[in-house]
Amino acid sequence: DADVTQTPRNRITKTGKRIMLECSQTKGHDRMYWYRQDPGLGLQLIYYSFDVKDINKGEISDGYSVSRQAQAKFSLSLESAIPNQTALYFCATSDAHTGEKNTGELFFGEGSRLTVL
Amino acid sequence: QKEVEQNSGPLSVPEGAIASLNCTYSDRGSQSFFWYRQYSGKSPELIMFIYSNGDKEDGRFTAQLNKASQYVSLLIRDSQPSDSATYLCAVSNTGFQKLVFGTGTRLLVSP
Repeated sequence: DADVTQTPRNRITKTGKRIMLECSQTKGHDRMYWYRQDPGLGLQLIYYSFDVKDINKGEISDGYSVSRQAQAKFSLSLESAIPNQTALYFCATSDAHTGEKNTGELFFGEGSRLTVL
Repeated sequence: QKEVEQNSGPLSVPEGAIASLNCTYSDRGSQSFFWYRQYSGKSPELIMFIYSNGDKEDGRFTAQLNKASQYVSLLIRDSQPSDSATYLCAVSNTGFQKLVFGTGTRLLVSP
């Protein structure tokens, strides 16, 4: 089983619908992230969370909200989806930067492809 | 100015050649530097990370960091068709709070 699991993997929806993308992890990491990837634009940070009570906006948070339900779960919501939110969404985790052995590496889920018609 | 800049490519090299991928960053306080490989439709996977100025080698891959010039590069020796992918440069901001990614360089290795 994957260490970082995203559901659904693919979703087609209509403009105005509410959509939730879920992420769960078994790595025991405190830090969780949601990124969006569009062709030619790389990975853009939407929201990130360093623990259950900590939520931070990233570069492109408008139109999105998140919930950190537990250390292992971090969900992304689109309250009213619009076509330009069509993209590939990645959840990622990392260990808090303590000690020399922590590389700061991000561990990614397999991605959720969202299409908004 | 983008925080992390890469040439989008594609960079085309023949099999067996050295591929050289480059990245510049704007935050002088950046601490950690990463190269991720991403196949089409798949999630990024870590290839190399580097903290200190100079070179770091791992098999066919060498990462080079020059903090004074705010420049990171990745060399791939003996390139293989299976190396064909998009290579993402990522930089950890001051305080290690988050990674900022470049737009990626697409590498094509022809047999």
